[in-house]
Amino acid sequence: DAEITQSPRHKITETGRQVTLACHQTWNHNNMFWYRQDLGHGLRLIHYSYGVQDTNKGEVSDGYSVSRSNTEDLPLTLESAASSQTSVYFCASSILRTGDTGELFFGEGSRLTVL
Amino acid sequence: RKEVEQDPGPFNVPEGATVAFNCTYSNSASQSFFWYRQDCRKEPKLLMSVYSSGNEDGRFTAQLNRASQYISLLIRDSKLSDSATYLCVVNIGNRGSTLGRLYFGRGTQLTVWP
Repeated sequence: DAEITQSPRHKITETGRQVTLACHQTWNHNNMFWYRQDLGHGLRLIHYSYGVQDTNKGEVSDGYSVSRSNTEDLPLTLESAASSQTSVYFCASSILRTGDTGELFFGEGSRLTVL
Repeated sequence: RKEVEQDPGPFNVPEGATVAFNCTYSNSASQSFFWYRQDCRKEPKLLMSVYSSGNEDGRFTAQLNRASQYISLLIRDSKLSDSATYLCVVNIGNRGSTLGRLYFGRGTQLTVWP
């Protein structure tokens, strides 16, 4: 079955280190998204991509970067991790541009703790 | 002001009860609307889309009021398995374009007890 997977599922790191969260989907979806979820804020969009070589900033993109070299993967990099980036990160994909169906398929999430 | 506002609850109801959640959105350019469900420490999943005329899926009924800019979700005959957080989601797009963005509410927590 097609799926979307994130790794690692749990990570503890130190302030200032570079961290990369992987996201891989096998649905051949063009659209991929990274969200973070924090208590009191709900899901907030970090970066998104509508296809290979396309990346866009979301509402909370500072301190994060993404690259899209193929359809299947959208890795999220924290260049210099900060304690404020402690959160649960969700990757998602969709077949159509958002608004057509509204259905995002989410990965299981990556819980990141920055000490 | 947040794009999407929800009462965070928690709502604690007995099995068989009817419960309703409301959600308001601030941007009149919002084009489409959805309810997602998120179980504890799990990923969100689409529950249902919300259409202008209202729509029903089994025990779940969703309604949209564009004039007042709110969305509702009604759950009838609550089951223990309905316990979850319900996320209101709004797509805000450019007019004449589908290049919208999804905005998520903080979620409303529901606990159904036996």
